[in-house]
Amino acid sequence: GAGVSQSPSNKVTEKGKDVELRCDPISGHTALYWYRQSLGQGLEFLIYFQGNSAPDKSGLPSDRFSAERTGGSVSTLTIQRTQQEDSAVYLCASSLGPDRGGGYTFGSGTRLTVV
Amino acid sequence: AQSVTQLGSHVSVSEGALVLLRCNYSSSVPPYLFWYVQYPNQGLQLLLKYTSAATLVKGINGFEAEFKKSETSFHLTKPSAHMSDAAEYFCAVSDQAAGNKLTFGGGTRVLVKP
Repeated sequence: GAGVSQSPSNKVTEKGKDVELRCDPISGHTALYWYRQSLGQGLEFLIYFQGNSAPDKSGLPSDRFSAERTGGSVSTLTIQRTQQEDSAVYLCASSLGPDRGGGYTFGSGTRLTVV
Repeated sequence: AQSVTQLGSHVSVSEGALVLLRCNYSSSVPPYLFWYVQYPNQGLQLLLKYTSAATLVKGINGFEAEFKKSETSFHLTKPSAHMSDAAEYFCAVSDQAAGNKLTFGGGTRVLVKP
């Protein structure tokens, strides 16, 4: 596609429920990144994919968080048993590759609210 | 570990005045540095990047930034602010040893007064 597409744009969920956030990167972009933006923590790195593998998942805050990428394209970030502190905007970005000087393209994000 | 510090979480400028946003970084290797802008309810848009070529980098919307190794700084400037520049600005450093993941500063919110 022309840009990085994220869905849903907004999600309200009850504490304890599982949620799935989707990212559709720019066609041909092999690298994909997930970040979280919250009021108290700023922008935090979560996980990075190169193709379908995740060389760096060091930013996932707990084992309730997982992500996968299939076909070298769409990625899904799953949060199990959501907690109120998971409320944030989840941003996805993609780039041509990890060695292209960064500067990748971000999606508009999914705003997650846990009530 | 890399880090980025942005001085001032909020900056207020008058329309037509100089915009100066400060960014200092820490990196054990020659850095790649970036400025992003975020408008309300939108994602991050790349303004400009430094990747070890010219130290003065020109970006979109009239912004530019200068890489100063001796000061470990990458300050963002625009000679004349427009109302449309009201947004939040993030400085970031890229970790080339880790898939180019970005470490962001805390952000600076710019308010432009008419």
